[in-house]
Amino acid sequence: ELKVEQNPLFLSMQEGKNYTIYCNYSTTSDRLYWYRQDPGKSLESLFVLLSNGAVKQEGRLMASLDTKARLSTLHITAAVHDLSATYFCAVGRHDMRFGAGTRLTVKP
Amino acid sequence: DTEVTQTPKHLVMGMTNKKSLKCEQHMGHRAMYWYKQKAKKPPELMFVYSYEKLSINESVPSRFSPECPNSSLLNLHLHALQPEDSALYLCASRGTGGGPHNEQFFGPGTRLTVL
Repeated sequence: ELKVEQNPLFLSMQEGKNYTIYCNYSTTSDRLYWYRQDPGKSLESLFVLLSNGAVKQEGRLMASLDTKARLSTLHITAAVHDLSATYFCAVGRHDMRFGAGTRLTVKP
Repeated sequence: DTEVTQTPKHLVMGMTNKKSLKCEQHMGHRAMYWYKQKAKKPPELMFVYSYEKLSINESVPSRFSPECPNSSLLNLHLHALQPEDSALYLCASRGTGGGPHNEQFFGPGTRLTVL
């Protein structure tokens, strides 16, 4: 059974700092997703990563995928308060499995 | 139209009630999903419909009964629920053409409270 592990589960950052969230998964998959969720809200798609070595960037967020290591990273550059949210990685196509989520708090 | 809609937004029901959640999309997607999300937890897959047929049931109790009346609609019928079933119920849809961007699009969710 596919297992998806995320770390850290909680992340408190100062504004302006950089940090990385990690996502490991247990079996081969041809796609990995990153989602953002604000409290009480639904999931917002951030990135879809489809191939080994894929790198995508949007604003202060950059996601990468290493399918050989079964590892994806979400890198945050110069964090701002608006990035405070819970971030999930998810793996699979038809029966998608989510990591536990990383609750990010960015403090001034 | 590139969104998934869900109704109602909030639902409070007693353990003896029967209610239904509704999900609709007009993107031509032929795969639709129900997820359950408890507070501070990730979404958990409940059901998957593919071309209006149930293809995955993640051992969900029979008090949850899904229905896909057509390619645009997905319902979740609720009966004799327990307080521990209180959660955010998310619907999602996905294109099935095999293209690279066949990601799941999520609706806003229904916040369910069982008293």
